[in-house]
Amino acid sequence: NAGVTQTPKFQVLKTGQSMTLQCAQDMNHNSMYWYRQDPGMGLRLIYYSASEGTTDKGEVPNGYNVSRLNKREFSLRLESAAPSQTSVYFCASIDRVSEAFFGQGTRLTVV
Amino acid sequence: AQRVTQPEKLLSVFKGAPVELKCNYSYSGSPELFWYVQYSRQRLQLLLRHISRESIKGFTADLNKGETSFHLKKPFAQEEDSAMYYCALRGGGFQKLVFGTGTRLLVSP
Repeated sequence: NAGVTQTPKFQVLKTGQSMTLQCAQDMNHNSMYWYRQDPGMGLRLIYYSASEGTTDKGEVPNGYNVSRLNKREFSLRLESAAPSQTSVYFCASIDRVSEAFFGQGTRLTVV
Repeated sequence: AQRVTQPEKLLSVFKGAPVELKCNYSYSGSPELFWYVQYSRQRLQLLLRHISRESIKGFTADLNKGETSFHLKKPFAQEEDSAMYYCALRGGGFQKLVFGTGTRLLVSP
């Protein structure tokens, strides 16, 4: 049982490049989330998907897009990376009693 | 709107001392409240939730609706408690889960 798996674990991008962060869960959860973690700012919600086929903006959606490909997968795309998007990104899925299960994180650096 | 405030970025105590990590929230309805912990090089994980009223690793948290607080307490801190602690809130009806800015707890020998 892998839980929540994120890829890649590390990535360095140049300003303006694009990339997609992948997330998959094998716990049959309906809800999936993307957060970014920055020093002093905690975990900020980027986008979430309450169920397959739906997505909603969180606190900091600008510069990101998401796709809920199916119940298992929820991807986060940076179309044109900026240095301000340097961060650690976490994917999470949430069960019926609201417990969140997190991936190991993706450390992204934009230069 | 859902909002979680953790006023302390860093809390440093000695082993055996009591610990209280503060969390205040704003939400107009009846929220679900949680404490999550991130130990060094480990994934963020649930520590406890208010509805279960349980003690985990000696930690407890009581929901005070009058003061809109959900402070995390432990009577005697241990070195292995050193970690990043996040308070989180989820509104009713499967609303989004939001986190506070986190408090780093450092327990010295």
